[in-house]
Amino acid sequence: DTGVSQDPRHKITKRGQNVTFRCDPISEHNRLYWYRQTLGQGPEFLTYFQNEAQLEKSRLLSDRFSAERPKGSFSTLEIQRTEQGDSAMYLCASSEGGPSYEQYFGPGTRLTVT
Amino acid sequence: DAKTTQPTSMDCAEGRAANLPCNHSTISGNEYVYWYRQIHSQGPQYIIHGLKNNETNEMASLIITEDRKSSTLILPHATLRDTAVYYCIAPFDQFYFGTGTSLTVIP
Repeated sequence: DTGVSQDPRHKITKRGQNVTFRCDPISEHNRLYWYRQTLGQGPEFLTYFQNEAQLEKSRLLSDRFSAERPKGSFSTLEIQRTEQGDSAMYLCASSEGGPSYEQYFGPGTRLTVT
Repeated sequence: DAKTTQPTSMDCAEGRAANLPCNHSTISGNEYVYWYRQIHSQGPQYIIHGLKNNETNEMASLIITEDRKSSTLILPHATLRDTAVYYCIAPFDQFYFGTGTSLTVIP
């Protein structure tokens, strides 16, 4: 069991640039979640997938944010035209399907927008 | 909107039981309560969940009141490595973590 992995672990970018993060869930998990976390706050839900279908998106997810899970395995989160307010830890989690919400989190990608 | 409320912070002496409360008076009868913890600079870690009955696993025990309006996570013998932020959530139709309880285990 390799757990949930995220790449890169750290990203520094200039305001206005686009960034893309990758998440590889636990292989048998068909649900995948993205969260954002800023200092002193708990994780804020962004979106989740059941296999390749994006089932829910938070209103926090502006039109600059897009997430995909094309083959129901890994997922990418892209932020276009980054702003300084996008600086945060971006967390990915996965879980089995059905009623269980036992989520397994990755180590996160720390984004710094300068 | 938060379905759960927790104290902001707590201290516990090393070796003693840590009892972390959570109020969830508005959850419905089929909503589970989940507990996670997050050690500094790491992703959250699942601890335990329950619906009506008390639950125990190798990490902790979860005591849910009969009216299901509150619950308590119990770490029976707290160690320094249990210092973390603990989140109580009811994720039936939302995934809201809130700010959790920052537990400090004191030597």
